[in-house]
Amino acid sequence: GAVVSQHPSWVICKSGTSVKIECRSLDFQATTMFWYRQFPKQSLMLMATSNEGSKATYEQGVEKDKFLINHASLTLSTLTVTSAHPEDSSFYICSAARDGDSTEAFFGQGTRLTVV
Amino acid sequence: GNSVTQMEGPVTLSEEAFLTINCTYTATGYPSLFWYVQYPGEGLQLLLKATKADDKGSNKGFEATYRKETTSFHLEKGSVQVSDSAVYFCALNTGFQKLVFGTGTRLLVSP
Repeated sequence: GAVVSQHPSWVICKSGTSVKIECRSLDFQATTMFWYRQFPKQSLMLMATSNEGSKATYEQGVEKDKFLINHASLTLSTLTVTSAHPEDSSFYICSAARDGDSTEAFFGQGTRLTVV
Repeated sequence: GNSVTQMEGPVTLSEEAFLTINCTYTATGYPSLFWYVQYPGEGLQLLLKATKADDKGSNKGFEATYRKETTSFHLEKGSVQVSDSAVYFCALNTGFQKLVFGTGTRLLVSP
């Protein structure tokens, strides 16, 4: 199968601190991964495309200095929410697809971030 | 641009009822189409997919047919169960692994 593991599954942090979320493809290589954000009772909105060995591509309206993405290897991408505020509280989900197969993306289980 | 439109929920059904969740799309090119399901407190799971026109995706009793002429990918199930209660997302992929999602439809099935 194709398993994507996201860690942590939930986190509570204080305002002003930074939080790192990891996304790992466990049994396949993924040059490209994606980070989505889901607001309560709403759909998923793509935040950025994470590219191994190069800078991430951010969607319009997403602050790249606030949501730092690092794709250090073919199996790991990290999203760091810097100087978190309560309005950053959300459900963050990553996805990855096997290199060479663009027809299906596999999702992590998501991370529920609560900023207090 | 690319977009997906889903019927608004919640959809409330009794167990064993027939389910239809409508989904239409707008896309450049020839997208692959997906239905994802999200159970309470969990991430997204792929339910079924279709990669070209007239393909029918099916899984766990759910079906959807890729209709290019009507740009639709409606989800159906003949007899729903309480365990099917979840949020269902229709999505399209234009070939670059980047998904465009519909707003999601919440399904509530009562015994």
